[in-house]
Amino acid sequence: DAGITQSPRHKVTETGTPVTLRCHQTENHRYMYWYRQDPGHGLRLIHYSYGVKDTDKGEVSDGYSVSRSKTEDFLLTLESATSSQTSVYFCAISGVDTEAFFGQGTRLTVV
Amino acid sequence: SQQGEEDPQALSIQEGENATMNCSYKTSINNLQWYRQNSGRGLVHLILIRSNEREKHSGRLRVTLDTSKKSSSLLITASRAADTASYFCATYNFGNEKLTFGTGTRLTIIP
Repeated sequence: DAGITQSPRHKVTETGTPVTLRCHQTENHRYMYWYRQDPGHGLRLIHYSYGVKDTDKGEVSDGYSVSRSKTEDFLLTLESATSSQTSVYFCAISGVDTEAFFGQGTRLTVV
Repeated sequence: SQQGEEDPQALSIQEGENATMNCSYKTSINNLQWYRQNSGRGLVHLILIRSNEREKHSGRLRVTLDTSKKSSSLLITASRAADTASYFCATYNFGNEKLTFGTGTRLTIIP
């Protein structure tokens, strides 16, 4: 398996609390992505990074922020979690014009 | 809205038959990729086809790309029970450096 890990794998949190998900890679890939997966919507891009400290918004970025201070780590923060952010979150990594490798996902429940 | 849309949303066939899934996208691309997702797991890359290619093969998989129609198809020949999964197309564009997924096709192989 490609060297990509997500943590935590499962999390239950309360509405209004901040939550940070971590994606760690050992492949030195340039691109890192955060997606959410919900029934009927496939994978929707939240934020992505094309280098250290270089990030941009995806199609569903409201309520989320990201940071990438090192090549290997890409953090996704829910600033104030809401029930609509209950989802499965996937991190992916890729090189330029190459396939992506996915983490195993984080199942987040906001109660 | 999402870049790609797969058709059909769900497909059930008998083992041994061929399965065809289609993907349409909206904007120009540099490559198109197909992924498989088994229930509850991360996505696994199947095949990547670049915008200057028309057809690509990998084992029992055949992918075509028609950039004039902004569409691609994935053919799985001689299907097996293990092919039961969700299949997603994803498009990559050098300009915005995004990797954007469609909504997926749920394939069920009936033994």
